[in-house]
Amino acid sequence: RKEVEQDPGPFNVPEGATVAFNCTYSNSASQSFFWYRQDCRKEPKLLMSVYSSGNEDGRFTAQLNRASQYISLLIRDSKLSDSATYLCVVNAGGSYIPTFGRGTSLIVHP
Amino acid sequence: NAGVTQTPKFQVLKTGQSMTLQCAQDMNHEYMSWYRQDPGMGLRLIHYSVGAGITDQGEVPNGYNVSRSTTEDFPLRLLSAAPSQTSVYFCASSYQVSGGTEAFFGQGTRLTVV
Repeated sequence: RKEVEQDPGPFNVPEGATVAFNCTYSNSASQSFFWYRQDCRKEPKLLMSVYSSGNEDGRFTAQLNRASQYISLLIRDSKLSDSATYLCVVNAGGSYIPTFGRGTSLIVHP
Repeated sequence: NAGVTQTPKFQVLKTGQSMTLQCAQDMNHEYMSWYRQDPGMGLRLIHYSVGAGITDQGEVPNGYNVSRSTTEDFPLRLLSAAPSQTSVYFCASSYQVSGGTEAFFGQGTRLTVV
């Protein structure tokens, strides 16, 4: 079983829709969690950190469920520019190098 | 702000050739890593370093060498290129935040081995 698992999608949604992705992790010692965004043929870039209490940044909300070992990303009012691959990243305690999921592809259409 | 700089951006090699992918960061980050990204496989860790003089293997290290003589530079060497090494390679540097690390990536090197 991979350490970090994501549904590859693609999630195909119309503009204005709300879409949510989940990411499960296997290491219960994992301590920090992030969502990265990767545009086609570009490098990944940090989208947001995921805190235990959850966090929100505009249309984006990230949540952590330690009991079930998953994190989620909710995107409200989807824009065409949200089309990208969203990568889940998990750091185990004491690990300095991020572990990436395979990514979830989102396509927002008019 | 340069951040993480990778060179070259594109490269075509013949099977058996060797080459070095360069990676430099100017953020004074301790941690650096190399990933390869293949369709459907996500980012797989090749080698990483937690500081100058210290390197370790990741998930897919075979066929690659690294060294970290300075904080800034972390080159990746392909010893004898094989078609299976055709991929997009990303270098990242990262620093510690709240028990984890935030990574910054270079723009990637698109390598084709024929």
